[in-house]
Amino acid sequence: RKEVEQDPGPFNVPEGATVAFNCTYSNSASQSFFWYRQDCRKEPKLLMSVYSSGNEDGRFTAQLNRASQYISLLIRDSKLSDSATYLCVVTLVYNFNKFYFGSGTKLNVKP
Amino acid sequence: GAGVSQSPRYKVAKRGQDVALRCDPISGHVSLFWYQQALGQGPEFLTYFQNEAQLDKSGLPSDRFFAERPEGSVSTLKIQRTQQEDSAVYLCASRHPVTGVSTDTQYFGPGTRLTVL
Repeated sequence: RKEVEQDPGPFNVPEGATVAFNCTYSNSASQSFFWYRQDCRKEPKLLMSVYSSGNEDGRFTAQLNRASQYISLLIRDSKLSDSATYLCVVTLVYNFNKFYFGSGTKLNVKP
Repeated sequence: GAGVSQSPRYKVAKRGQDVALRCDPISGHVSLFWYQQALGQGPEFLTYFQNEAQLDKSGLPSDRFFAERPEGSVSTLKIQRTQQEDSAVYLCASRHPVTGVSTDTQYFGPGTRLTVL
């Protein structure tokens, strides 16, 4: 079983829409959580860390549900430039040097 | 400042050839990581260095894969006797500081796209 599972999508949404992705993790010893964004043929770039109490950065909101072992990413007022693959990342409490990536969820924002 | 750089950006190898992939981390970054990303998948951890010490190589898929960072800065990932299944993008990442707070993130280079024919 993979450490991190994501719906591959694609999610096709119109500009201005609100879209949400979930990511589930299998290990209860998971400690740190991140969302990375990866454009086609580019490297992953940090979008935001996910904190226990949830956090917001502009149009982006990340939440953590430890009881159900998932994290979510909400994007409001989608822009064409939000089109990318969103990667969920988890680390374990006994080895935070090792990032476990999900396979990514592809988002297409259309005019 | 400059980000993580990798070279070459593209490499085509014939099956059985040896290849060497280079990573220049962000200046001053103590930690360095290598990942393998197959098409349509997320990156998979290969190995981790803190300075020149290779502290975790649990992700290296076989003994054909070898990584080094002899002076604690530039790192090289070497793949011997390449196979078709080695075709992937190889990503390098670096991180600071040495105390390694769990929320510290990793900064990725552009990757080397390896194609084995």
